[in-house]
Amino acid sequence: DAGITQSPRHKVTETGTPVTLRCHQTENHRYMYWYRQDPGHGLRLIHYSYGVKDTDKGEVSDGYSVSRSKTEDFLLTLESATSSQTSVYFCAISARQGANSGANVLTFGAGSRLTVL
Amino acid sequence: EDQVTQSPEALRLQEGESSSLNCSYTVSGLRGLFWYRQDPGKGPEFLFTLYSAGEEKEKERLKATLTKKESFLHITAPKPEDSATYLCAVDRAGTALIFGKGTTLSVSS
Repeated sequence: DAGITQSPRHKVTETGTPVTLRCHQTENHRYMYWYRQDPGHGLRLIHYSYGVKDTDKGEVSDGYSVSRSKTEDFLLTLESATSSQTSVYFCAISARQGANSGANVLTFGAGSRLTVL
Repeated sequence: EDQVTQSPEALRLQEGESSSLNCSYTVSGLRGLFWYRQDPGKGPEFLFTLYSAGEEKEKERLKATLTKKESFLHITAPKPEDSATYLCAVDRAGTALIFGKGTTLSVSS
């Protein structure tokens, strides 16, 4: 996954503990996204960012917060992890330049598998 | 409500047996339809973008087509290495893609 890395790739944690997942890009793309992927649900958007310090909620944002202090880094935080947040989390980036633009293609990271016991 | 539905959920083919995957959508202000391939344990990998009804894109054994309500991913003479989950997503007047749940394709030799 050239240009986008996620860390950690695997994490096991206990209910109630805070967890932060990191997404780092080297493409200088404006847009960054966090999705979660669960069996039977597909990919669902958690939060996204359209610039430094500019973020907005997706369809499943409850229990999650994000921060983007630099263009290259987008952090996803679970303040108090719950078992329902056990999932695979994907970060994606996009240049997004408007309708019918090839720049709207999302490039995904390799994923972070989180297990909350 | 914007929605993307993929069918079938799973498809088993013999090597060389051609078939099609379906992606139907109800979206206001479609700005593009995307197909991705996802291998186990990896992130989705971009295949195609289609922007308007009647458009077609091809890549090796795959061909994607688009109508006003659905898209098809045609797989001609598949090989075992085509086994993967294929995801459809739509870009609409908003800021993020909406994904279908995917079709898991298994091709046996």
